[in-house]
Amino acid sequence: DIVMTQSPDSLAVSLGERATINCKSSQSVLYSSNNKNYLGWYQQKPGQPPKLLIYWASTRESGVPDRFSGSGSGTDFSLTISSLQAEDVAVYYCQQYESLPFTFGPGTKVDIK
Amino acid sequence: EVQVLESGGGLVQPGGSLRLSCAASGFTFSNYAMSWVRQAPGKGLEWVSVLSNSGDSTYYADSVKGRFTISRDNSKNTLYLQMNSLTVEDSAIYYCAKNRGVTRYSSLDYWGQGTLVTVSS
Repeated sequence: DIVMTQSPDSLAVSLGERATINCKSSQSVLYSSNNKNYLGWYQQKPGQPPKLLIYWASTRESGVPDRFSGSGSGTDFSLTISSLQAEDVAVYYCQQYESLPFTFGPGTKVDIK
Repeated sequence: EVQVLESGGGLVQPGGSLRLSCAASGFTFSNYAMSWVRQAPGKGLEWVSVLSNSGDSTYYADSVKGRFTISRDNSKNTLYLQMNSLTVEDSAIYYCAKNRGVTRYSSLDYWGQGTLVTVSS
């Protein structure tokens, strides 16, 4: 099974500042046949279901603000919030869907400093 | 508008069974794979199972393999999760989620609000 790790466990960022979350997979999630990274990012606010933000590691889901961006390839990925807003307080999860069983990272909690 | 709505959760004794349902609307249900993900209270997300759009291809997390069965009725736009031999470790909110694509190798773009399963004596 592919193990997903995230760092940091939590971070507090001032409003308007940048927040970066890292995600690492224990093996590559890059599928060579189509050169796509099978990696998604989700946001979960308290009491709500997760929401898809990013898929294929860097493609923003429709309706997601452009302050959210994803990058990385192979085993190392990042989610960046370029200018943190109050409504971005949430737990963020990465997930690989390249190899069954699909696995989530443990989550990173983002708060306002 | 895409919607997925879970039902069927509740309190069940260890060793018991429960069947969850997920009613989907707002998209062509038979064109997409569907998944179940669970979240124990205060914990992270755990992927449980995925089913292909046609229903002929399934996969399970090791933690539920042999006890849980995922299925779908494309004529009713409904996904199911039959859960048998439940243990306290199965207590969680169970989310139904739509896959972005036909295949199971896709992210989850719409999630229901979840249904709570509590396994306790």
